[in-house]
Amino acid sequence: GENVEQHPSTLSVQEGDSAVIKCTYSDSASNYFPWYKQELGKGPQLIIDIRSNVGEKKDQRIAVTLNKTAKHFSLHITETQPEDSAVYFCAASHSNTGNQFYFGTGTSLTVIP
Amino acid sequence: DAGVTQSPTHLIKTRGQHVTLRCSPISGHKSVSWYQQVLGQGPQFIFQYYEKEERGRGNFPDRFSARQFPNYSSELNVNALLLGDSALYLCASSLDPWPDQPQHFGDGTRLSIL
Repeated sequence: GENVEQHPSTLSVQEGDSAVIKCTYSDSASNYFPWYKQELGKGPQLIIDIRSNVGEKKDQRIAVTLNKTAKHFSLHITETQPEDSAVYFCAASHSNTGNQFYFGTGTSLTVIP
Repeated sequence: DAGVTQSPTHLIKTRGQHVTLRCSPISGHKSVSWYQQVLGQGPQFIFQYYEKEERGRGNFPDRFSARQFPNYSSELNVNALLLGDSALYLCASSLDPWPDQPQHFGDGTRLSIL
């Protein structure tokens, strides 16, 4: 099956700086890559996603890039704010496994005011 | 609009007992998936259901079972509970079961096994 690796496991940035989280996947058949934000005591919240026919997608301060050749994708958060502090998960899915998502191990982001 | 709702929010059981967890998907969503999230890890896929039929199963023992009802709500059942079953159980819904469909998660049921 698919194997998704995520780095770093923890990340601290000053408020206003940018944060970058990187993920790699193993199965070239993967074609959908969502990112989730999970706050303490809550379920994962979808913040952005990208499909394999697109190289980059942006939504306000959040952007995701995808490199299919290298099989990696990244989350970029600009102008970070304290409310961005949470655990972020990347995931991948592909047509051979229906709608099953394979998740990374998570990145705990702390934005220091 | 209501999001994915799960019940109960917390549950404490002892080894060997049985548990049933419930999930109501977002209105209009026909596919429901269940995930197990152990502390400090990403969610792991357990089951996906669509139109009352199982569409996918993860690497979990037969003690885990699920079903989906005509109104698209779902139950996850776990028999003969083990200490290692302690986790956050998440339900996610999507419009349909296709691979590129976004899944929206509930806040989960925190299951503790004593």
